[in-house]
Amino acid sequence: DADVTQTPRNRITKTGKRIMLECSQTKGHDRMYWYRQDPGLGLRLIYYSFDVKDINKGEISDGYSVSRQAQAKFSLSLESAIPNQTALYFCATSDPTSGGRNTGELFFGEGSRLTVL
Amino acid sequence: AQSVAQPEDQVNVAEGNPLTVKCTYSVSGNPYLFWYVQYPNRGLQFLLKYITGDNLVKGSYGFEAEFNKSQTSFHLKKPSALVSDSALYFCAVTNQGGKLIFGQGTELSVKP
Repeated sequence: DADVTQTPRNRITKTGKRIMLECSQTKGHDRMYWYRQDPGLGLRLIYYSFDVKDINKGEISDGYSVSRQAQAKFSLSLESAIPNQTALYFCATSDPTSGGRNTGELFFGEGSRLTVL
Repeated sequence: AQSVAQPEDQVNVAEGNPLTVKCTYSVSGNPYLFWYVQYPNRGLQFLLKYITGDNLVKGSYGFEAEFNKSQTSFHLKKPSALVSDSALYFCAVTNQGGKLIFGQGTELSVKP
């Protein structure tokens, strides 16, 4: 089984619909992240969470919300989807290895491809 | 604000030749630098990182990267490319703030 699992892997929806992407991890990491990937733009950080009570906005949080239900679960919601939110979404986890600094690498899920018509 | 630039959208290399994928960065304080690889329809996989110490860092699959502080660069290299190295490569940087910022990616194509 994968260490970082994302559901659904593919989703097609219509403008205005509410969508939730879920992420669960078995790595025991406190830190979790949501990124979106667009061709030519790389990965951009949407939200991140350093523990269950800590939620932070990333570069492009507008139009998104998140919930950290437990150490192992971090979900991303689009309250009212729009076509320019069509993208590949990645969840990731990390484990800081020194004094809280993010010296550890990220571990990624396989991605959730979202299409908004 | 921290940023990463990968100046080449695509790099084409013949199998057996050396390859270089370029990355430059901008960050306040000491940088922590990473390379990731993405194969088709997969998530990103960690290749290597520079935190401190030797400027030449060795990683997975025979890849290495050289940290150059004066040129603010962290280029990815491999002495002899394989067709199976064909993938999308991402450079990333963070300082002590904990947020990893990625470059736009470079598509590496290795032809037989």
